[in-house]
Amino acid sequence: DAGVIQSPRHEVTEMGQEVTLRCKPISGHDYLFWYRQTMMRGLELLIYFNNNVPIDDSGMPEDRFSAKMPNASFSTLKIQPSEPRDSAVYFCASKDSGNSPLHFGNGTRLTVT
Amino acid sequence: KNEVEQSPQNLTAQEGEFITINCSYSVGISALHWLQQHPGGGIVSLFMLSSGKKKHGRLIATINIQEKHSSLHITASHPRDSAVYICAVARGSQGNLIFGKGTKLSVKP
Repeated sequence: DAGVIQSPRHEVTEMGQEVTLRCKPISGHDYLFWYRQTMMRGLELLIYFNNNVPIDDSGMPEDRFSAKMPNASFSTLKIQPSEPRDSAVYFCASKDSGNSPLHFGNGTRLTVT
Repeated sequence: KNEVEQSPQNLTAQEGEFITINCSYSVGISALHWLQQHPGGGIVSLFMLSSGKKKHGRLIATINIQEKHSSLHITASHPRDSAVYICAVARGSQGNLIFGKGTKLSVKP
């Protein structure tokens, strides 16, 4: 299996622009998570899906952030409009049901100037 | 106070040394995870445990539910073990993890 695939690996954009991060989970996994990692706050859960349905989005910082999972093999995290404080590494992870570990993607390093 | 505390924050060891990283938490959990993040940034799940002890190669993870404490041990450490080790606890049934700030380990040859 190719593992969790995220794109792009790096994104540099100007403040005010729309940013879309993409994730393909491992086939057969029915849980998908979006995390954000910063130096100040470490890793934080933004949102997670079960069977394509958002279960907990309490970590989404504000309305500028939105996430979708239109099917079992694809999810997006969108920031519109982006701000410099959104600069971070965004990780996607997936797992199957039950007592199983998380599998992380390689992350997208976002820089908003 | 953070719900998940790790110690130490930074650790430097000589190759071959026995290493212990500690994690304490203050909330009820369903499971505890140990993750490894290499300098390149990728995160790998090392262990997920809810009781007792698990071993994988030179790595050992233990958890004491009553004391709300877990340890990660590395025996015969090697420079390739240099990474950030992150403790995370699961509150709910599946994936809502709360992360510690990580322990940065550097193993010198």
